[in-house]
Amino acid sequence: EVQLVESGGDLVQPGGSLRLSCEGSGFTFGAYGMSWVRQAPGKGLEWVSTLSGSGGGIHYSDSVQGRFIISRDNSKNTLYLEMNSLRVDDTAVYYCAKSPVVVGAPYFEYWGQGTLVTVSS
Amino acid sequence: EIVLTQSPATLSLSPGEGATLSCRASQNIYIHLAWYQQRPGQAPRLLIYDATNRATGVPARVSGSGSGTDFTLTIDSLEPEDFAVYYCQQRNSWPRTFGPGTKLEMK
Repeated sequence: EVQLVESGGDLVQPGGSLRLSCEGSGFTFGAYGMSWVRQAPGKGLEWVSTLSGSGGGIHYSDSVQGRFIISRDNSKNTLYLEMNSLRVDDTAVYYCAKSPVVVGAPYFEYWGQGTLVTVSS
Repeated sequence: EIVLTQSPATLSLSPGEGATLSCRASQNIYIHLAWYQQRPGQAPRLLIYDATNRATGVPARVSGSGSGTDFTLTIDSLEPEDFAVYYCQQRNSWPRTFGPGTKLEMK
């Protein structure tokens, strides 16, 4: 059974930093692209970033480009999202999601339960 | 960026009725569209990919159709667990984008 478990969400001040983690199990982690998708309170879904299985093929949304860094450690079955220069509008539940293929993220096949990031002073 | 528009915003139906949800893309995305279901307090769940293919475990009463710019998600004979928010998402180009969602509520 595929499982994705996010952690690291917290309350942080504007301008601060945070690192999210997502541990995968039940599949060969390094063989699939992985993504972060977020959902602001009461709002819809917004794709944030995608990283291919090999560690190349990185994509970011314009809203986080230059502030967030996606990475992965396949030996630990873990995906990361380093979030810098956080803004109030980054407040959201952050989901990690598994792609059905190694490169890119055509679709988000499996999702974790999410971790809440709150940016507020 | 490809913009997805969903209609209606809210759909009020009773169990046993059929539902038709629409998603329109701002440009041709061929069949590169997926549908997701999100129940309250839960993560989204992939229902349909490449416009017409059901994901693992999705019942046959859920179906997708369309190509180009106009797509439809159809749910026959609504069950209580079908009342949720539904999102479409395109994979034709980066950035991946989602529609704003359709809330399917119980009448």
